[in-house]
Amino acid sequence: EAGVAQSPRYKIIEKRQSVAFWCNPISGHATLYWYQQILGQGPKLLIQFQNNGVVDDSQLPKDRFSAERLKGVDSTLKIQPAKLEDSAVYLCASSFSDMDDFYGYTFGSGTRLTVV
Amino acid sequence: QKEVEQNSGPLSVPEGAIASLNCTYSDRGSQSFFWYRQYSGKSPELIMFIYSNGDKEDGRFTAQLNKASQYVSLLIRDSQPSDSATYLCAVWGNNDMRFGAGTRLTVKP
Repeated sequence: EAGVAQSPRYKIIEKRQSVAFWCNPISGHATLYWYQQILGQGPKLLIQFQNNGVVDDSQLPKDRFSAERLKGVDSTLKIQPAKLEDSAVYLCASSFSDMDDFYGYTFGSGTRLTVV
Repeated sequence: QKEVEQNSGPLSVPEGAIASLNCTYSDRGSQSFFWYRQYSGKSPELIMFIYSNGDKEDGRFTAQLNKASQYVSLLIRDSQPSDSATYLCAVWGNNDMRFGAGTRLTVKP
């Protein structure tokens, strides 16, 4: 089966600009996650979707970050305005259902964001 | 605050040796435990999971879980230079997955 697709692979923007990332999960996977991984740290969950509903967005900085998953398939994550500390890799993952967390899930290749 | 702790390393072992990676967690309600491998510049890749006390073997990899001690480990036998990567421990419970910061492993030829 095709994996989790993400784009772009790399993005460089200036602080205060906006940026958007796209994710297409594995076909049929109901649950989609966005993670932020800062260099030298483990991934941190930003938001979890079940179909097109939000399950957990407690760690999403809502003053600047937003995410949507229209039609319960692909998803976009937006940052506006970006700050220097947003420089990180943004990882998308998906699973068939949230119970699949019991067995782990698959990450996409990630988008490396550099804010200058 | 649910914490997952790992030694950051680097851990260096010679080729053919056993590499031992350790992880502790704070949430006693945690149910499943995962090891991900992450090569530099790549995304994490699931290599093993375990949810029962004891050992679970898969090829050269063995995961060990001790829930009483809140401790999970990964042993890599016959380590190869291609095993050089960062190993992330992840803990799942109550629909919440938490990652450690990872241990960097270097296998020297």
